[in-house]
Amino acid sequence: AQKVTQAQTEISVVEKEDVTLDCVYETRDTTYYLFWYKQPPSGELVFLIRRNSFDEQNEISGRYSWNFQKSTSSFNFTITASQVVDSAVYFCALSETPFTGGGNKLTFGTGTQLKVEL
Amino acid sequence: KAGVTQTPRYLIKTRGQQVTLSCSPISGHRSVSWYQQTPGQGLQFLFEYFSETQRNKGNFPGRFSGRQFSNSRSEMNVSTLELGDSALYLCASGSSGGATDTQYFGPGTRLTVL
Repeated sequence: AQKVTQAQTEISVVEKEDVTLDCVYETRDTTYYLFWYKQPPSGELVFLIRRNSFDEQNEISGRYSWNFQKSTSSFNFTITASQVVDSAVYFCALSETPFTGGGNKLTFGTGTQLKVEL
Repeated sequence: KAGVTQTPRYLIKTRGQQVTLSCSPISGHRSVSWYQQTPGQGLQFLFEYFSETQRNKGNFPGRFSGRQFSNSRSEMNVSTLELGDSALYLCASGSSGGATDTQYFGPGTRLTVL
């Protein structure tokens, strides 16, 4: 069965600090996709990034960067120079495609609450 | 392009009642998935529809059901509501619903069962 572990329940930082959110996954699939979503207090899950299992290149998007390491089954997310607006719950997720019938479902981690204070 | 819309945004029901939630996917998207989010269980997959067919179902009792219409809009129904059904119900749309797809989420419907 697929599993995503986000061991950090809550992280508090002061604005402008860098912060890394950890994500460890388990899957028997050789092809899979990993995602990060942000959930602000409004409740909507906002898509941040998708990474497939064959692409281990790190990715940077503005203040956000992601480090994917298959050897350790980790897909960590770093926010550089954090801002108050980054305060939210961040979820790591793993896609799963059944062998028959197609379709897709996401297995989510439990989320990490990030609080950025002035 | 308009995002995923869900109605209603908030709902209060009593035990034993039934409820129907609605989701309109992004225009052109044919896959709609439903997730339940609770503080105790986190985000859990309910089911996924593509072209009016349920392709995938999570581990929920038969009280939870859904359907998809020809315009890709989807409804989710919960019958005989229990207190534990209180949750944020999130709908996600995707163009194909395959593993390569990115799912875009709506704002959710917050259901409170009294």
